[in-house]
Amino acid sequence: AQSVTQLGSHVSVSEGALVLLRCNYSSSVPPYLFWYVQYPNQGLQLLLKYTTGATLVKGINGFEAEFKKSETSFHLTKPSAHMSDAAEYFCAVILSGNTGKLIFGQGTTLQVKP
Amino acid sequence: DSGVTQTPKHLITATGQRVTLRCSPRSGDLSVYWYQQSLDQGLQFLIQYYNGEERAKGNILERFSAQQFPDLHSELNLSSLELGDSALYFCASSVAGGGAFEQYFGPGTRLTVT
Repeated sequence: AQSVTQLGSHVSVSEGALVLLRCNYSSSVPPYLFWYVQYPNQGLQLLLKYTTGATLVKGINGFEAEFKKSETSFHLTKPSAHMSDAAEYFCAVILSGNTGKLIFGQGTTLQVKP
Repeated sequence: DSGVTQTPKHLITATGQRVTLRCSPRSGDLSVYWYQQSLDQGLQFLIQYYNGEERAKGNILERFSAQQFPDLHSELNLSSLELGDSALYFCASSVAGGGAFEQYFGPGTRLTVT
């Protein structure tokens, strides 16, 4: 069963434009939710996470995401794209809080045009 | 630099062979995770160790095994290698074993099976 779905394998925006990367999850209980970024030839870096509490979470590099339980979504946004944001972005969930088993979406490649 | 080190960076070997990938977690982290990233399967969780004990298991083949040593470093052993095992293997570590704790990823080991 697909637990995490990222809509759009490629997203292209102009520099300065809004970035919106979509993520939906399937789980009977609210999972822990994460966004990771991967730059070419590098490992993954955590952008932000939601575990409990405030549903709007702010991360590094100006990114934020909102957990919407009714929509089972955790979309990633950034008001103004920068060239350095070009990378691959992964949404991930942890379904059981007792482990760190991350289940990843298929990834979205963000292209930023000058 | 996440503080997680992986060796070797690259590994080229032939089908049927056996290899060992090594991971040193960040200082103080008790939990180690292994992930496989391939074009076909995306990013997949393989296994998690916490303080020397297996905590969670994912889609890890029987030909693969892992362990975490008393000094907390971990090794992933891949045997009877097949062409399809070619992938990027990431190690990650976190301070504890639960899902709320951030996982720090190493730079990965790129395995090519010829």
